[in-house]
Amino acid sequence: GAVVSQHPSWVICKSGTSVKIECRSLDFQATTMFWYRQFPKQSLMLMATSNEGSKATYEQGVEKDKFLINHASLTLSTLTVTSAHPEDSSFYICSARDSTSGRMDHEQFFGPGTRLTVL
Amino acid sequence: SQQGEEDPQALSIQEGENATMNCSYKTSINNLQWYRQNSGRGLVHLILIRSNEREKHSGRLRVTLDTSKKSSSLLITASRAADTASYFCATDPTGANSKLTFGKGITLSVRP
Repeated sequence: GAVVSQHPSWVICKSGTSVKIECRSLDFQATTMFWYRQFPKQSLMLMATSNEGSKATYEQGVEKDKFLINHASLTLSTLTVTSAHPEDSSFYICSARDSTSGRMDHEQFFGPGTRLTVL
Repeated sequence: SQQGEEDPQALSIQEGENATMNCSYKTSINNLQWYRQNSGRGLVHLILIRSNEREKHSGRLRVTLDTSKKSSSLLITASRAADTASYFCATDPTGANSKLTFGKGITLSVRP
């Protein structure tokens, strides 16, 4: 149980195009999902918290118009990188928090990541 | 901002040896979690230890937590080449809007 999928697993695009990454919780409901980016040999940096049915909360320094987040259902959140540039090339990882009542540990389950390369 | 700080940054050991990794943090926490990441892959949750727990075991993993020193250690016993990966500690801070905060990670290499 507690599986999170991401699609696509990798994508190569031209500069100026937009790329959408999907994050799905496969066997549980997630009112909250998180989006991280990770540069090579570095840690995960939280970009934004995605809340089902409401606007995402972005971390300081993350452009909300650049990284559009939509959390339209309890099992799906999407991250769209708009007008992508080479500096947006990174490993993007999502995670989902199980909304089941009684789970007080706030355990997050991570997707396998999406490698974005912008040419 | 990153709260967890692991040490060492890199560790190389022989298969069969034990690997000990440490993590220090700064604020009060609900729990601390350890994750593993193979190169280019997502994170795998290894173990979670709550703030009121001092030690926890899971297979070859042993985690300790010392809230007075704000530190945790992850011990992998009888290491295998397949344990080669990056290991991250993540803290779940107390507070209404708690968000996991990851350390910089430790690169573990287990030589066959």
